[in-house]
Amino acid sequence: ETGVTQTPRHLVMGMTNKKSLKCEQHLGHNAMYWYKQSAKKPLELMFVYNFKEQTENNSVPSRFSPECPNSSHLFLHLHTLQPEDSALYLCASSQAPDSRGGYTFGSGTRLTVV
Amino acid sequence: AQSVTQLDSQVPVFEEAPVELRCNYSSSVSVYLFWYVQYPNQGLQLLLKYLSGSTLVKGINGFEAEFNKSQTSFHLRKPSVHISDTAEYFCAVMAGVTGGGNKLTFGTGTQLKVEL
Repeated sequence: ETGVTQTPRHLVMGMTNKKSLKCEQHLGHNAMYWYKQSAKKPLELMFVYNFKEQTENNSVPSRFSPECPNSSHLFLHLHTLQPEDSALYLCASSQAPDSRGGYTFGSGTRLTVV
Repeated sequence: AQSVTQLDSQVPVFEEAPVELRCNYSSSVSVYLFWYVQYPNQGLQLLLKYLSGSTLVKGINGFEAEFNKSQTSFHLRKPSVHISDTAEYFCAVMAGVTGGGNKLTFGTGTQLKVEL
């Protein structure tokens, strides 16, 4: 596998469920990101991990919990979500520290909260 | 902090016509600039980037962009579009200085719709 892989591609969950999104990169990068993309809104940066350490949390509600066990894997644990959390969740990776090569994105997980 | 403005939310254009998608940025330091494309139900794909040097950068799929420091712009152009270019295009900026971090800030996107 190459690039950035996100699973699942689609997820429907109830407001009381607990689920996790997975992201894996095969590029040897050392920084990983979670973005939220909602209709009619700009891309929202949620979390940044550099060398497995969380370096940014953009006031994301605690019902979203990230985990980065190593530089190649990133998870987003979800619990007690709200309907407004329905969106496309994108994972990306880059080569820190300056990431001048840009980010490489996965295809995203389309999340629907019912 | 850096910010990006894409004034056009939608740009309709006929096939084989030229197109320009506008992007302006704001930053107190030098910047790296990027254009990404997103096809339906997919992630973002890097089209091109400006880091330094020549202000005209060429990317994939026949796209190019010109960095204009005095106008703080990085407009994307293609001389002749194809139906397959229909997609959403995002301009993005990152601080281009040592210690500036690696946060990529995106514009709101421009939907390019190519018509026959």
